[in-house]
Amino acid sequence: KNEVEQSPQNLTAQEGEFITINCSYSVGISALHWLQQHPGGGIVSLFMLSSGKKKHGRLIATINIQEKHSSLHITASHPRDSAVYICAVIPSDKLIFGTGTRLQVFP
Amino acid sequence: GAVVSQHPSRVICKSGTSVKIECRSLDFQATTMFWYRQFPKQSLMLMATSNEGSKATYEQGVEKDKFLINHASLTLSTLTVTSAHPEDSSFYICSALPGTYEQYFGPGTRLTVT
Repeated sequence: KNEVEQSPQNLTAQEGEFITINCSYSVGISALHWLQQHPGGGIVSLFMLSSGKKKHGRLIATINIQEKHSSLHITASHPRDSAVYICAVIPSDKLIFGTGTRLQVFP
Repeated sequence: GAVVSQHPSRVICKSGTSVKIECRSLDFQATTMFWYRQFPKQSLMLMATSNEGSKATYEQGVEKDKFLINHASLTLSTLTVTSAHPEDSSFYICSALPGTYEQYFGPGTRLTVT
């Protein structure tokens, strides 16, 4: 079993839909990253959080340390949100990555 | 925000040759940089941790003589793939750690070995 599990693995949505991607982990962590990887390969760090909730534009990330669970929400999804979203946890100074969620948003 | 660059973004080389990939932190100093590789539709795999002024720490299964890492300054780390083979074709990504937990990722280098 992977130390970081994401669900769903693949997700399709119509433009405007509310999207939720889940991440569960089994190790103790100091923080968690949500990353976005576009088809070209470049990775952008969306959030790093260790408790509570963060919001940036249409993106919201939450984490529950006790339950070892985090969610990434996208409100009013748009085709440009199509990408792979990766959850990565930080138990020490190295990241442990989830397998990613491939999101496609259709107009 | 913090910016990490990689050069080149794409490289094609012949089997048996060596390729050097550079990773630079443009607006901050990074005592630690990480090198990852990623196969198509798979997650990132950590290859090694590069610390400025000291030898890199390689993950299990990564050949240190094949993937030479040099972290000569606080803003530059290089990965050299020596005697490249087609199976080394992959997407290589670096990240830089400016001293906190947050890593900043480079845009990646796509290596194709023919």
